[in-house]
Amino acid sequence: GESVGLHLPTLSVQEGDNSIINCAYSNSASDYFIWYKQESGKGPQFIIDIRSNMDKRQGQRVTVLLNKTVKHLSLQIAATQPGDSAVYFCADGYSSASKIIFGSGTRLSIRP
Amino acid sequence: NAGVTQTPKFQVLKTGQSMTLQCAQDMNHNSMYWYRQDPGMGLRLIYYSASEGTTDKGEVPNGYNVSRLNKREFSLRLESAAPSQTSVYFCASSETGVQGDEQYFGPGTRLTVT
Repeated sequence: GESVGLHLPTLSVQEGDNSIINCAYSNSASDYFIWYKQESGKGPQFIIDIRSNMDKRQGQRVTVLLNKTVKHLSLQIAATQPGDSAVYFCADGYSSASKIIFGSGTRLSIRP
Repeated sequence: NAGVTQTPKFQVLKTGQSMTLQCAQDMNHNSMYWYRQDPGMGLRLIYYSASEGTTDKGEVPNGYNVSRLNKREFSLRLESAAPSQTSVYFCASSETGVQGDEQYFGPGTRLTVT
């Protein structure tokens, strides 16, 4: 069946460094992906999305890269700050908002 | 704008008890969703409502029922709670429900079934 997985369950980075969170997907027909941030005790929050006709998309301090050949995407956070501490989910939004498949998440922690 | 609100925030039930989780949104969104999140896992869709008056099963609907009371409110009912339903429940809404439509999540209800 379809799956979306992240490569590492936890990631620790130094404050100010760049963070890279990776994600793999299995459905070669997938054409839309979303990254969510979930802070402790809160619901997920949309960060950025990307469609399969793009390789890269940038937001404020975040960049998502999509490699369709190897079915891999990554979220890069520039100059990581303490407020970036959270669990990050990639999700496959293949067909509609009611069919989103969430990965299991990577917990990002920031070292001072 | 409060966004998506959920009540209660926490609940403890005994096996076999019933309860209803409430969700409301003030963004005039057409589509609403109920998810569950188990420890160390991503969210799984229980039920959704594409528009007022319609509801459909998601990935894990067994043991749950839903009611789209009006455009604002979407409730989730557990008729006979089981320990396997211990989870954090999130309600979400989106404007249209089509691909690319951003979902807005509530703060969650943490449910423990003993």
